[in-house]
Amino acid sequence: DAKTTQPTSMDCAEGRAANLPCNHSTISGNEYVYWYRQIHSQGPQYIIHGLKNNETNEMASLIITEDRKSSTLILPHATLRDTAVYYCIVRVAGAGGTSYGKLTFGQGTILTVHP
Amino acid sequence: EPEVTQTPSHQVTQMGQEVILRCVPISNHLYFYWYRQILGQKVEFLVSFYNNEISEKSEIFDDQFSVERPDGSNFTLKIRSTKLEDSAMYFCASRTDIKQETQYFGPGTRLLVL
Repeated sequence: DAKTTQPTSMDCAEGRAANLPCNHSTISGNEYVYWYRQIHSQGPQYIIHGLKNNETNEMASLIITEDRKSSTLILPHATLRDTAVYYCIVRVAGAGGTSYGKLTFGQGTILTVHP
Repeated sequence: EPEVTQTPSHQVTQMGQEVILRCVPISNHLYFYWYRQILGQKVEFLVSFYNNEISEKSEIFDDQFSVERPDGSNFTLKIRSTKLEDSAMYFCASRTDIKQETQYFGPGTRLLVL
């Protein structure tokens, strides 16, 4: 799975959009970008994933650059409850190669939402 | 909404003792995982389980660890002889099938080995 690079921490004001970047310059054509978050030692929570098109769901939007070397997770109206560690993970879909779906977590970005 | 559950939420044990951590994955899911997170560190993959056998394991998952799906609902992680360094949060996760990649995590079991 391709390596990802994320800022260590970010701040955001409550009610404003939080834009969390992720670099994955070595991504392969069959690798998806996944975002999970972890709120204070709880189990990681799935947010969104995409291959090359932008995606949106009830939690967030995912913008993937045309060359797929980077992406941005957007929380449109951040709340205090969005304070968490956000993980960007790149992996092959399906049981490709020797991976049976394991997720490889990095250090992620600590997002702090301020009142 | 269906969710992964784990018991106990906290477990304290003495070094050398055996512990069993229990998980109930989402009912129609086919792939099961254990991860752990030592305090202040990254979430680490331990093992994946499919069709009643281990499909992949990490270097952490040595002979002291074992997993089992004893019935149609539970998925367990056993540590035979706990060490101080096994103290961590242990997360169970599950997903439906090969095409659906999203893993759903349980709330975790905090294990403290004294």
